[in-house]
Amino acid sequence: DQQVKQNSPSLSVQEGRISILNCDYTNSMFDYFLWYKKYPAEGPTFLISISSIKDKNEDGRFTVFLNKSAKHLSLHIVPSQPGDSAVYFCAAREGIYNNNDMRFGAGTRLTVKP
Amino acid sequence: DAGITQSPRHKVTETGTPVTLRCHQTENHRYMYWYRQDPGHGLRLIHYSYGVKDTDKGEVSDGYSVSRSKTEDFLLTLESATSSQTSVYFCAISQGVLGGYTFGSGTRLTVV
Repeated sequence: DQQVKQNSPSLSVQEGRISILNCDYTNSMFDYFLWYKKYPAEGPTFLISISSIKDKNEDGRFTVFLNKSAKHLSLHIVPSQPGDSAVYFCAAREGIYNNNDMRFGAGTRLTVKP
Repeated sequence: DAGITQSPRHKVTETGTPVTLRCHQTENHRYMYWYRQDPGHGLRLIHYSYGVKDTDKGEVSDGYSVSRSKTEDFLLTLESATSSQTSVYFCAISQGVLGGYTFGSGTRLTVV
């Protein structure tokens, strides 16, 4: 039972354009959400997070939007760069400080073309 | 790097043999985790630890055991490896505060 879903296995965008990665969740108890980025042969690295008390969080070129009523979040990358090409994982957990269980989506492979 | 290393990086083993993967951290973080990554499933939690000798099961713990006798080391053992345990295994650490985990570089395990 996958509680966090990334329905697009892959996404291809042109350099300089916007990349939008989507994530849906089913567990209404989730209140803290994170995005991780993963390059081949490396572990995932933390990118950006958002708590359920917010609907937007921005960090440089990366912005995460949260729509709690739709149980949906998205990661926007503007402008996209070739170095952003990686697999992006959405993750969620119950409780901002809960470290016992974080659920991940299956990932979306982003390719940014020069 | 955040001071987390996994060993070995690659391993091929035969069905039915025991296998132990090691995660070592130099950050003195309380929380440590073992995840497996499989196509179509993303990362799934196997076991986690919230202190020395304090461990608990995750989402996919069957066939795995863990031990943590020191803060810095978290071992994952496959008692009798099966082909379904062929996967990439990631260890992660957390300070237990707001924010994400720090992951190791992974161990690619193939069970033949």
